[in-house]
Amino acid sequence: QVQLAESGGGVVQPGRSLRLSCVASGFTFSNYAFHWVRQAPVTGLEWLAVTSYDGSTTYYADSVKGRFTISRDNSKNTVYLQMSGLTADDTAVYFCARAPTLATQFDSWGQGTLAIVSS
Amino acid sequence: IVMTQSPATLSVSPGGRATLSCRASQSVSNHLAWYQQKPGQAPRLLIYGASTRAKGIPDRFSGSGSGTDFTLTITALQSEDFAVYYCQWYSGWPFSFGGGTRVEIK
Repeated sequence: QVQLAESGGGVVQPGRSLRLSCVASGFTFSNYAFHWVRQAPVTGLEWLAVTSYDGSTTYYADSVKGRFTISRDNSKNTVYLQMSGLTADDTAVYFCARAPTLATQFDSWGQGTLAIVSS
Repeated sequence: IVMTQSPATLSVSPGGRATLSCRASQSVSNHLAWYQQKPGQAPRLLIYGASTRAKGIPDRFSGSGSGTDFTLTITALQSEDFAVYYCQWYSGWPFSFGGGTRVEIK
């Protein structure tokens, strides 16, 4: 069955970087777009970034543009989120989500990985 | 596009009916999805295309609307339906979520 497994979260100091990974299984990874979405404590969902099926097209939320980079490796069934210049406001659970194309619903989600930015 | 959900919290008795609203700041046609999220879990797709149920979603969940005003209706609420529900516009960047409606037990 479809599985998405995020990893790479943890505690990081302000100003430092962190790379999140999302490993997919149970379907043809290269046929799908992937998003990263985060959820700060006791708040709603914030969309962050998307990559097309081949990685040629990416979009970012204004809140992370220039600091976060989404990428994918179709040979490893993995999508990444490289985060830099982290602040306390980036503390959240980070989810990856699959979508059939760039502009369609998010039909499967991983369980999330928690990133805490603290000194 | 800004997605606004109301009410923030809805109290419903088990077996009752819940009506959740989502309004877009401009027309999104029918490119609207609803997700359910339970504590400690990932969101789950319920509805897409404003009214199409995702695979495995029971028919007590129904969506309606187009343009700027949308509704998610849950009939005969069961214990597992008490959760937070989010609407989302998904056909363009940025992919905006509403603030969520919490459906709680009355």
